[in-house]
Amino acid sequence: DGGITQSPKYLFRKEGQNVTLSCEQNLNHDAMYWYRQDPGQGLRLIYYSQIVNDFQKGDIAEGYSVSREKKESFPLTVTSAQKNPTAFYLCASILGTGASFGGYTFGSGTRLTVV
Amino acid sequence: AQKVTQAQTEISVVEKEDVTLDCVYETRDTTYYLFWYKQPPSGELVFLIRRNSFDEQNEISGRYSWNFQKSTSSFNFTITASQVVDSAVYFCALSEWGDSSYKLIFGSGTRLLVRP
Repeated sequence: DGGITQSPKYLFRKEGQNVTLSCEQNLNHDAMYWYRQDPGQGLRLIYYSQIVNDFQKGDIAEGYSVSREKKESFPLTVTSAQKNPTAFYLCASILGTGASFGGYTFGSGTRLTVV
Repeated sequence: AQKVTQAQTEISVVEKEDVTLDCVYETRDTTYYLFWYKQPPSGELVFLIRRNSFDEQNEISGRYSWNFQKSTSSFNFTITASQVVDSAVYFCALSEWGDSSYKLIFGSGTRLLVRP
């Protein structure tokens, strides 16, 4: 079945370390997104990518980096510059634009905790 | 600027009661999409409905119904005869085209607790 796979499900990071969250999709979707969710809050956009080798900052990009070398993959790196990285991270993708817009597909998320 | 407001932070009802979750949005675009998602304790987002701005027909799906009113910029969600399994956080979201991509803007969510 097609879908989005996020790994790992749980991730623990020591302060000062960079960590990379994986997001892979086999839906042949064009655009991919990373969202952050803090307890009791909605989701906020970190980065998004419309096509391979191109990506844009979202509302809270500071302290994060991404790459889009393949259509299927959109990994997110949480750098040591991110002051408060403990959160739930969700990856999403969409197919099409305009009349062909098919809505969003979300992964199951990665819960990152700084220890 | 685009914005989604879910004024109800938490709602508690007794099983079999009807409950309405409110959603008010702001946008300057004439073409946009509205969504409702359910987030159970596991954290996954479960898609419930998508509605485009040109379709104001109300929708019913089993115990779920949605009332879209452009005149008041609202997209409210009603659960009829609530069940304990409906307990979750519900998010309303707005998507519109900008900066060469769709962006999904979420409300802060409403936590629904259905007590037996």
